[in-house]
Amino acid sequence: EVQLLESGGGLVQPGGSLRLSCAASGFTFSSYAMNWVRQAPGKGLEWVSGISGSGGRVYYADSVKGRFTISRDNSKNTLYLQVNSLRVEDTAVYYCAKEAGSGTYYSFFDYWGQGTLVTVSS
Amino acid sequence: DIQMTQSPSSLSASVGDRVTITCRASQGISNYLAWFQQKPGKAPKSLIYAASSLQSGVPSKFSGTGSGTDFTLTISSLQPEDFATYYCQQYNTYPRTFGQGTKVEIK
Repeated sequence: EVQLLESGGGLVQPGGSLRLSCAASGFTFSSYAMNWVRQAPGKGLEWVSGISGSGGRVYYADSVKGRFTISRDNSKNTLYLQVNSLRVEDTAVYYCAKEAGSGTYYSFFDYWGQGTLVTVSS
Repeated sequence: DIQMTQSPSSLSASVGDRVTITCRASQGISNYLAWFQQKPGKAPKSLIYAASSLQSGVPSKFSGTGSGTDFTLTISSLQPEDFATYYCQQYNTYPRTFGQGTKVEIK
């Protein structure tokens, strides 16, 4: 059974940093690209970042480019999102999502974690 | 970036109704279109991929059509458990983009 468990969220002041983690199980982690998607309170879904199975290709939304860094440790079956220079508008639940296809650019998200809440406030 | 526009933003329907939600892409995305269902306080759940393929375990009352720029999600007979918010998403290019969501409420 595929499981994705996010952690690392919390309350942080503007300008602060956090590292979000997503522990994966139930599939061959290194074979699948992974993504982060966020949802501000009462708002819709916003794709944040994606990373290939090997970690060699990474992608970012313009809204987080230069501030957020996605990475993965395939030996630990864990996905990360380092979030720096946080802004009030980064307040959201952050979900990790697994892609369905192995090694393909065109792949939808088939499994999602339950999310971790990041609150940016002074 | 490819913009995804859903309509309507919300709708009220009764149990047993047939419901259709539309998603339009600002440029052609072939059939690289997915639909998700989200209930309050829960993570999104995959319903349909490749515009019309049903994700494993999803009941056949859900169906999707379309290609290029225009897509639809249909729920053939609305049940109480289907009241939720539905999102489309394109995976043709980065950045991946979502529609703004359609909230399906009980009439």
